[in-house]
Amino acid sequence: SSELTQEPAMSVALGQTVRVTCQGASLRSYYASWYQQKPGQAPVLVVYGKNSRPSEIPDRFSGSSSGNTASLTITGAQAEDEADYYCNSRDSSDNVIFGGGTKLTVL
Amino acid sequence: QVQLVESGGDMVPPGRSLRLSCAASGFTFDSFALHWVRQAPGKGLEWVSVISYDAKIKSYADSVRGRFSISRDDSKNTLFLQMNSLKVDDTAVYYCARDRRGSGAFGELDFWGQGTLVSVSS
Repeated sequence: SSELTQEPAMSVALGQTVRVTCQGASLRSYYASWYQQKPGQAPVLVVYGKNSRPSEIPDRFSGSSSGNTASLTITGAQAEDEADYYCNSRDSSDNVIFGGGTKLTVL
Repeated sequence: QVQLVESGGDMVPPGRSLRLSCAASGFTFDSFALHWVRQAPGKGLEWVSVISYDAKIKSYADSVRGRFSISRDDSKNTLFLQMNSLKVDDTAVYYCARDRRGSGAFGELDFWGQGTLVSVSS
């Protein structure tokens, strides 16, 4: 199996841009999906595939990938974007794996 | 609209068994793979298991393989997780989630239930 590594915590000023990253060997072969989780709530899918969003997700959320790193970019962060963000993908054993999560604070 | 409602969570001592259920509605149940994902208190998400749309593919995390068993009843639009030989480390909120694809291979989980709490303690 393999792992996905995320920064435990990040912050962004209101209205600014932030990039949340996810590193892992499997990302050289597979795209990551990204989830937003607010306290006491279930996760919500925000980005998947090369750079696709569910219809209800604002277009300030975007995804990208390079080498072993996948990124979730929030362009013009809003107060309501303060949450935990998780990446996931598949590993070498064809199982699903999650990153450890990034706690994003909007200042 | 798509709905997933988990049930069956409880407080049990180590070594006991539990069966979780996830009732689905609002979509063609037998066209999608389904996953179980858990979250220990104050911790991150941990993938547990997946079952493909046709139940031919079942996969498990190393931490539960041999103890947990995933199944589905398409006639009742319900997903199950049979949990045996429970350990303290299995304590978590268990979510069921729908995969965007039938195979479930990429873990693109587009709808989640609200979760059910399993607490394993002596």
